[in-house]
Amino acid sequence: EAQVTQNPRYLITVTGKKLTVTCSQNMNHEYMSWYRQDPGLGLRQIYYSMNVEVTDKGDVPEGYKVSRKEKRNFPLILESPSPNQTSLYFCASRSGVRTDTQYFGPGTRLTVL
Amino acid sequence: DQQVKQNSPSLSVQEGRISILNCDYTNSMFDYFLWYKKYPAEGPTFLISISSIKDKNEDGRFTVFLNKSAKHLSLHIVPSQPGDSAVYFCAASERYGGATNKLIFGTGTLLAVQP
Repeated sequence: EAQVTQNPRYLITVTGKKLTVTCSQNMNHEYMSWYRQDPGLGLRQIYYSMNVEVTDKGDVPEGYKVSRKEKRNFPLILESPSPNQTSLYFCASRSGVRTDTQYFGPGTRLTVL
Repeated sequence: DQQVKQNSPSLSVQEGRISILNCDYTNSMFDYFLWYKKYPAEGPTFLISISSIKDKNEDGRFTVFLNKSAKHLSLHIVPSQPGDSAVYFCAASERYGGATNKLIFGTGTLLAVQP
């Protein structure tokens, strides 16, 4: 089954404690993104990757890092989480830059105390 | 600055009636528009799209209309069913002209279809 998986699904942590949210897709997609969803703001792109070792900032990259060492994985790293990073995070992938359908993971609900 | 706007946070419709969800955009360079549907505890899923060279695209009960001069698009669901109850996100991109085809999402509209 074609899918994007994220782990963990729920996480409560404290300010400053480094964390990683993993994302993996099994569709051999080149293009992957991370989004955060906040009330009244919709989905905003954090980082994206157009292929292995190619990553770039989205609209709200501050406080986040990513890496793309393998095609299937695109982890999101919060080196020093802060309460304003409390949000619902989605990983997404699509086969190429010009394709329509973007597949989303199920989401990770992060709370930073 | 919100380039894609969904001004109605919520909409309630009776089962069997038409649901109309609206979306406005400000960037005239957008040439591709999409609607995504999101159920609670799940990621958004692609629903329907339209290129700027068209003014209508239909897929079963779902039709998207594009009015380029007004920078407005709408999603019509006919007839509405309780299973359509979800958050609907409008998205836009510079699919043909942009380098990255980044999707810009609206804030979403929560549709509730009452049985």
